[in-house]
Amino acid sequence: AQSVTQLGSHVSVSEGALVLLRCNYSSSVPPYLFWYVQYPNQGLQLLLKYTTGATLVKGINGFEAEFKKSETSFHLTKPSAHMSDAAEYFCAVGGMNTGFQKLVFGTGTRLLVSP
Amino acid sequence: AAGVIQSPRHLIKEKRETATLKCYPIPRHDTVYWYQQGPGQDPQFLISFYEKMQSDKGSIPDRFSAQQFSDYHSELNMSSLELGDSALYFCASSLSTGRLMETQYFGPGTRLLVL
Repeated sequence: AQSVTQLGSHVSVSEGALVLLRCNYSSSVPPYLFWYVQYPNQGLQLLLKYTTGATLVKGINGFEAEFKKSETSFHLTKPSAHMSDAAEYFCAVGGMNTGFQKLVFGTGTRLLVSP
Repeated sequence: AAGVIQSPRHLIKEKRETATLKCYPIPRHDTVYWYQQGPGQDPQFLISFYEKMQSDKGSIPDRFSAQQFSDYHSELNMSSLELGDSALYFCASSLSTGRLMETQYFGPGTRLLVL
C-alpha cells in the first residue's frame, strides 16, 4: 500500500524566511502526489499536484514542490514566508496502489510564521 | 467558481442518534469522496461514488452508509452515533476524464460533535 510520511509535526519560520515542508512517499509504482493546505476551521485547499511530466511543480501562493524519485520525496517550498501562510499542510498520495482514486494523507505539518 | 457545498456545517447529536450529512459536488463533477478527520488527525478515506455507484471503500464503519443520487449529490448516513464519531467530515468531488487519478476538490466540511 502507498503511504506518505511528513517529517515534523510543527515547523516554525520567520516572516520572509524560506519555507521547507518535507514529505516522503512509499510506492511501488509512480505515484500521484498532492499538497493541500488547511486554514483553521476550513476545508482542504489544493496547493499543487504532481502527476506526470515536469518534476518541479508550481502551485498557488508562491509554493512549489519537486518530485525526486531517487529520494522518494516531494518536499514543499516557498522562498519567502508570509504571515498568511500559517496553516496546516498535508501531503497526500493517490493512484493505482491506493485503490481506485482515494487519497492517503500524511499526518500534516503545522506551519507557524512569526513576525 | 462554484465549490463543493456541504450541509450542515455544524451538527450536534447525542449518542445513539442518527445523522445525515449532505454533499453537493462542483457542477458537472461525477465523482464524490467522503473523508473523516478526527481531532488533530489526518483525513481518512471513507467511501467514494462514481456515477451513483460505489467506486471504492475505506475504513467506513458498518453503522455508516452513503449513496450518490442522480443529480450527483451525495449523503452520508450515520446511525448509532458514538463519541468517537466526533470529527470533521469532508466531501470532495472530481470530474472523471479517464485519467488514473483526478484532482479532488474539497468542501469546507461538516463538524459533527457527538455528546
